[in-house]
Amino acid sequence: GQQLNQSPQSMFIQEGEDVSMNCTSSSIFNTWLWYKQDPGEGPVLLIALYKAGELTSNGRLTAQFGITRKDSFLNISASIPSDVGIYFCAGRAVSGYALNFGKGTSLLVTP
Amino acid sequence: DGGITQSPKYLFRKEGQNVTLSCEQNLNHDAMYWYRQDPGQGLRLIYYSQIVNDFQKGDIAEGYSVSREKKESFPLTVTSAQKNPTAFYLCASTPHGGFGNQPQHFGDGTRLSIL
Repeated sequence: GQQLNQSPQSMFIQEGEDVSMNCTSSSIFNTWLWYKQDPGEGPVLLIALYKAGELTSNGRLTAQFGITRKDSFLNISASIPSDVGIYFCAGRAVSGYALNFGKGTSLLVTP
Repeated sequence: DGGITQSPKYLFRKEGQNVTLSCEQNLNHDAMYWYRQDPGQGLRLIYYSQIVNDFQKGDIAEGYSVSREKKESFPLTVTSAQKNPTAFYLCASTPHGGFGNQPQHFGDGTRLSIL
């Protein structure tokens, strides 16, 4: 499988700030997924994207499928302490079969 | 509630010992997957099964084995041939095989450590 380039690796922000993270691939993808993982737990799906240019929101979270089909970003608005965790991007290449995962963005939010 | 159950939550292995991690789902999903997660790394695919009695190797299958005798169960055996087994293991499932555009839903993981 292909390793996705996810950035930043970690973020340390204050409550109320907006957050942005992104993921890039070397191949064209037909699916982008964003997951959140709490310590010692499995990843939980936040947003799924299936079309280039697609912009989808889930509460304070917004994600977009890049028009080049090689990138995606996730924004979190007005962060709160419970947003703490590791956020993973995952995607499936047009020519591939399995999900490819980024290394994650670790988010810390101080009250 | 429907979901994916992994057990045990924590597992310890002695040198030269095989251990089996359990994954059960009551979602009636056809496809199931095993991933390995190391600190600071993304998930890497070990094995996957798109249908009962069939499974395929993923990117890092060496030192692991699986079986899929029942639709709801996909146990993973970490054999003594796996020289660096300490990791967090995640099981996932999707409604259908063939991957397609289905997001994967994960269990809560098993943390395996070497004694």
